[in-house]
Amino acid sequence: TQLLEQSPQFLSIQEGENLTVYCNSSSVFSSLQWYRQEPGEGPVLLVTVVTGGEVKKLKRLTFQFGDARKDSSLHITAAQPGDTGLYLCAGAKGSNYKLTFGKGTLLTVNP
Amino acid sequence: GAGVSQSPSNKVTEKGKDVELRCDPISGHTALYWYRQSLGQGLEFLIYFQGNSAPDKSGLPSDRFSAERTGGSVSTLTIQRTQQEDSAVYLCASSFLLPGTGELFFGEGSRLTVL
Repeated sequence: TQLLEQSPQFLSIQEGENLTVYCNSSSVFSSLQWYRQEPGEGPVLLVTVVTGGEVKKLKRLTFQFGDARKDSSLHITAAQPGDTGLYLCAGAKGSNYKLTFGKGTLLTVNP
Repeated sequence: GAGVSQSPSNKVTEKGKDVELRCDPISGHTALYWYRQSLGQGLEFLIYFQGNSAPDKSGLPSDRFSAERTGGSVSTLTIQRTQQEDSAVYLCASSFLLPGTGELFFGEGSRLTVL
């Protein structure tokens, strides 16, 4: 059973389009992180959200943590080819050191 | 370098052979993690170290897998009698704070192919 479900699994869009990817769970998390992974590299942290309903913006990326702290979304405005990569969400529970990762959304932005 | 370093970056081995994967974390990071990433799967937790101790080995898939950490720094993941299903990218990460509070810094991974 996958604790964190990410959708869509694959997404291919044209440069300039907007998109939203989702990370859903039936469990409550104390915090949720989004990472981006490019081919041949390890994941790199984009953001950490800790408060239910929290919205964080990072340039063209907007992250939202659900009110119940069970889900999150990542919205990209005017996508660029440099946004191409695997987007992973990861949840933590309390002081538990073990991050649970979703399977990721593989985003391709075509020029 | 300043980041997490893993070696080898690629390893091709024959079924039944033993392999060792090395991780050199960021200096000063007391927490070290091993994850496994297979095609189409998320990151699967293997083991967590705090200093040289491994309080949680629950993610190790079988007793063929073992890991150690020495001097609160370098860690080695050993897979004995490799099987084809062990083929994956093995990622090491280190952190200063607990995840969810701080950031996990990942290495580039060791890609293992078992023929």
